[in-house]
Formats: sequence, structure tokens, C-alpha cells
Amino acid sequence: DAGVTQSPTHLIKTRGQQVTLRCSPKSGHDTVSWYQQALGQGPQFIFQYYEEEERQRGNFPDRFSGHQFPNYSSELNVNALLLGDSALYLCASLGTVDNSPLHFGNGTRLTVT
Amino acid sequence: AQSVTQLDSQVPVFEEAPVELRCNYSSSVSVYLFWYVQYPNQGLQLLLKYLSGSTLVKGINGFEAEFNKSQTSFHLRKPSVHISDTAEYFCAVSDRGGYQKVTFGTGTKLQVIP
Repeated sequence: DAGVTQSPTHLIKTRGQQVTLRCSPKSGHDTVSWYQQALGQGPQFIFQYYEEEERQRGNFPDRFSGHQFPNYSSELNVNALLLGDSALYLCASLGTVDNSPLHFGNGTRLTVT
Repeated sequence: AQSVTQLDSQVPVFEEAPVELRCNYSSSVSVYLFWYVQYPNQGLQLLLKYLSGSTLVKGINGFEAEFNKSQTSFHLRKPSVHISDTAEYFCAVSDRGGYQKVTFGTGTKLQVIP
């Protein structure tokens, strides 16, 4: 049973560029949440997708956007990258049937130079 | 809005000694509580959760936590730690709606000393 998978594992971008991160949820899960974890900090909620729509959003600017596909996979897009966007980006999924807690992927380490 | 405070950023402890990692939360509504562990260069793994019922919750790897509503605490304990427990531990809280955003603390680094 595959867990949450994220790609790529590492990414280096230049300030001002755009980046797309990808996530496939755990089998049977239909809800995807994205978190940003800066170095030495706890994960911060970015947004959550369910039924291909953004259901809830944290305190992040509009430069952060997302998408969910019919197969429940998801993308996180960040435009106009800033140095402060350097972080580990975590995807987490959960299913509506068993009300289980979040299942996390191993994350994408984004470095903005 | 909810918040989580982890009182210790780092906790060194000798192998086979007991450990307690402290967590306090703030919320205006009833909550679910969680502890997650993060090993280097990995995502977060659920240790245990409190949804309802018994206030003493047992999790994986010999960890347990006790929910104290009056003190708004959810401290994590293990009677005897191993080297392999060296990791960062995050306390988290969510609304009882179940699908709302989960708010994490800033983490506690547990360093087990041989």
C-alpha cells in the first residue's frame, strides 16, 4: 500500500522564478493538505484541497496556489520566489471514510538562491 | 484559532532513562490532539492521537501521552528511551471537525545520549 509520495525530493531555484511541487496521496485518501516547514520550525498550514477545490487556506500570500486532479493528486505552485520561501514542503493526505489523521510524505526540499 | 506551545526546544536524556516532552495548547473549541515524530530528512510520522475517551493514550514505539483538559496539556512520555528515539517531536491540534487545518508546535529535539 503506497503512502504519500512527493516529487521532486530536492529543488534549487533562483529568486523570482516559479516552482511546481507534486503530491500523490495515500491510496484511498481524497483530501490533500500542504505545509511549509522552515528550518527549525514546525509545519505551517498552506491550504487543503478536496473534490478539486481549495477548502481551507492558511496565512500565505496569493503567490502560493494549488490544484487537485480527478485522481486526487495535487500540485503546489509558488510564483515569484523569495529567499524566504526556502523550506521543506510537506504534503499530507487523509480520507473522509475513516477520519484518520494526516499521513505525510517525505517532503520536497526547496532552496531559493 | 488554536495554538500549540512546546516548552522545550531541546531535551537531552541518557539512554534507558525516562523522558517527558511537554505540550500545552490553546483553543476555544474542543480539539483533537496529536504527537508526530520527524527523523532527519523525512516527513512526519504519527506517534499517537487523542480523539475522545480515555485521557491516557498509548502510541507506537512505547510512547504514551496524557490529555489534561483543565491544564490544557498533552505531554508525551516514554519510560525508557533508546538511541533510535533521537528525532524531533511535534505536538499538534485540530478542530473536532476532523478535516480542518492542523496546527503544529515548534518542535522538541530529543537527543538520546549513549
